[in-house]
Amino acid sequence: QKEVEQNSGPLSVPEGAIASLNCTYSDRGSQSFFWYRQYSGKSPELIMSIYSNGDKEDGRFTAQLNKASQYVSLLIRDSQPSDSATYLCAVNGRGANGGYQKVTFGIGTKLQVIP
Amino acid sequence: DAGVTQSPTHLIKTRGQQVTLRCSPKSGHDTVSWYQQALGQGPQFIFQYYEEEERQRGNFPDRFSGHQFPNYSSELNVNALWLGDSALYLCASSRGYNEQFFGPGTRLTVL
Repeated sequence: QKEVEQNSGPLSVPEGAIASLNCTYSDRGSQSFFWYRQYSGKSPELIMSIYSNGDKEDGRFTAQLNKASQYVSLLIRDSQPSDSATYLCAVNGRGANGGYQKVTFGIGTKLQVIP
Repeated sequence: DAGVTQSPTHLIKTRGQQVTLRCSPKSGHDTVSWYQQALGQGPQFIFQYYEEEERQRGNFPDRFSGHQFPNYSSELNVNALWLGDSALYLCASSRGYNEQFFGPGTRLTVL
């Protein structure tokens, strides 16, 4: 079982729709969860972080966390063509020395917003 | 406020050579993590440095080594390069265990 799992996509949504990106993780002790956006040929850009169960909203973005189900999601409202990118889910996990300093990334979901 | 910087931007090496990549963290950050990202994959954790010590290491061979300097900047060294080391190498900085911010990356091509 992969530590962080995402569907690689592509996920295609029409402009103005809600894009829903999902991620599951294996380490129940994980405490920090992040969503990064990565445009082709560029480095990842942090867009959301979430640490407790529930929803966290920032502009058009909403991150949702359910630790019992080991599930984290990202909703993008009013999707724009400029949102077309790969979205990486990242989870802090237990490193070799037992501490939670290692951040593990999923493979990323490619989002395509169709004008 | 300068963000995370990396050098060089691109690099071409041949098999068996050695390479050194450099990273300067964002102002106020004390922790540097290095990642390798192959095409179509998520970033893979190489190691993390804090207070000039390697604090965590991912599943990478000893050919990958690093260093952190007193000013928190960091280097990644890769010895005995092989074709499979071709990738985008990313440096991320943070303040302790907080959110990580990435630099622009170094694209390494091994021929």
